[in-house]
Amino acid sequence: GAGVSQTPSNKVTEKGKYVELRCDPISGHTALYWYRQSLGQGPEFLIYFQGTGAADDSGLPNDRFFAVRPEGSVSTLKIQRTERGDSAVYLCASSLVQGALETQYFGPGTRLLVL
Amino acid sequence: GESVGLHLPTLSVQEGDNSIINCAYSNSASDYFIWYKQESGKGPQFIIDIRSNMDKRQGQRVTVLLNKTVKHLSLQIAATQPGDSAVYFCAAASSGNTPLVFGKGTRLSVIA
Repeated sequence: GAGVSQTPSNKVTEKGKYVELRCDPISGHTALYWYRQSLGQGPEFLIYFQGTGAADDSGLPNDRFFAVRPEGSVSTLKIQRTERGDSAVYLCASSLVQGALETQYFGPGTRLLVL
Repeated sequence: GESVGLHLPTLSVQEGDNSIINCAYSNSASDYFIWYKQESGKGPQFIIDIRSNMDKRQGQRVTVLLNKTVKHLSLQIAATQPGDSAVYFCAAASSGNTPLVFGKGTRLSVIA
């Protein structure tokens, strides 16, 4: 079946611009997670949703980052006033139900480059 | 909080040999552990997981061992193949809806 999909696969933007990254979870998965992966590092947690609500946003680095999941399926990660340090791969994952003990399945990621 | 680390950033093995990738974690409350494989340009792919009530779990050509006493886990890959070449990450979490904490990864290179 279809896995987690993310668009765009690559995004190049200029410092100070606004970007939106989209995630389509596996159908029927109620939990959705965003991670950020810098070069040579493991993924770092940003935020996760159970249904439409953000259950834990403790990983968001600052208020320039925001995510929504209005209908409990597709999610959008929004970054305002992008900085060069925001350049990374942004990964989305979903799991069947909420909970750290549920297997998370990852999408291919969006590679963001801020010039 | 939890921190997860791997002992070796790179590992080279001969095709057909067994591979062992090690990982250590710091939080004794962690009770769920998972291994992911990440190929270049792709997202992490689930390999195998283990809960803290087990010390060993086997999959197809892979085995995960968990030693809670020393807070260590390992991934064993039998008869390593060129397609196993990738970066391998371990991650840990504790019950109560805490997020996964990933290590930095070990790059496995398989020599034909």
